[in-house]
Formats: sequence, structure tokens, C-alpha cells
Amino acid sequence: DTEVTQTPKHLVMGMTNKKSLKCEQHMGHRAMYWYKQKAKKPPELMFVYSYEKLSINESVPSRFSPECPNSSLLNLHLHALQPEDSALYLCASSQDGTGGVQPQHFGDGTRLSIL
Amino acid sequence: GESVGLHLPTLSVQEGDNSIINCAYSNSASDYFIWYKQESGKGPQFIIDIRSNMDKRQGQRVTVLLNKTVKHLSLQIAATQPGDSAVYFCADPPGGTSYGKLTFGQGTILTVHP
Repeated sequence: DTEVTQTPKHLVMGMTNKKSLKCEQHMGHRAMYWYKQKAKKPPELMFVYSYEKLSINESVPSRFSPECPNSSLLNLHLHALQPEDSALYLCASSQDGTGGVQPQHFGDGTRLSIL
Repeated sequence: GESVGLHLPTLSVQEGDNSIINCAYSNSASDYFIWYKQESGKGPQFIIDIRSNMDKRQGQRVTVLLNKTVKHLSLQIAATQPGDSAVYFCADPPGGTSYGKLTFGQGTILTVHP
């Protein structure tokens, strides 16, 4: 079992729907991340939050909207997605970098399918 | 472009054999490396890490070797078991203003035959 919990595990949505992915960690980590992973490919970074503030956006389309309501929660709001957005969406967390680089710990992801 | 890459996309071994997965990196300033294991249907799982002030680090049945001269690291798994079957990624997370911009290698698929 991972210490980063993602819900839902599976999500099927139409291109006009609005949905949200949720991520929660209780390790006291102050950095949280969203990744996208296509089949047979490595995860690709989308967003980085540090101390609840967005610090990195890897040129992600605006149909993906991240939100960090508090230090334990990270959301990814989805709207008007395209079929090519179907993928595994992974959340990760880590300690902040003030003490040096720290490993990221991943959840098991949300498998998203866009119809 | 990617800062890390893997020599072989697949590796098949017999149960009980030792496995070696290799990874090359290009940034000579990289000073921290992580190996992740990703099983089917799960997220990447942290296995072991190593900092550049070390050449070798051992965990439970796993050893990571770092050769800074040729910018190469390897993951050795002793007495490989069927449960070790997974995709293995190396990664070199940067620090400073790029903190968090983790880049994975393409991954090596390890298949363990009973």
C-alpha cells in the first residue's frame, strides 16, 4: 500500500464533462506533483506545488487545472478533455528541497479514459 | 531532451539469477539518483537512491552502483524472484530552481521466469 492515496482509481468521461482527480498524503510532505503516463512510457511531469503554491507548470493545456487546497491535498480539475488525454495520472509527494533533493513517493494513479 | 537513458528495454532472467539493469546519464552535475519499480497497474515505487558522494549503496537484495567517470549507474537485484517482474526506471531529480522536475529514463522491463 502506498502512502499517497488517489481517487478515483478509474474514471471514464466524455469530452464535455467536468471531473476532478484527488490526491491525499499524510506524510507531512510540502511538495506535491501531478504526472501523466501513457502506456509503455515513463511518467511525464505536469505540475509541481511547493508549500501549496504552484511552482512548475510544464506547459500543460488549460483544460487541466491543478489546485492545492492544503498541505495534504492536491486536486486536478478536468474540463473539455480530448481522447489523447486518456492516460494514467499519477500524484506524488516529497519533502521540500531545503535539506537537499528528496525522493518522490507516488500513488497508484487514476486510469482516465476519454470517450 | 532526457538526461537519463537505459541501455536495454527488456531483460528476461530465470528465478534465482542475479539481474543487472543499467542506466546512463548525461548531466555531469547530477548528484542524486533514484531507482523506481513500477508493477502493472501501480504507481512507481521507490527502491533505492544514491548520492554522488557514494559509489555503491546496498538495500535488501538490491545494490546500486554509480560510476561518475563514465556517467553510468546500475541496479543489481540478487536472487531475482517472480515478484521482481516490473518496469524499472532510473531518475536524476534536480535541485535548486528546478527542484521537482523529475525526469525518468525510458524504463527496462524485467521479466522473471519461474
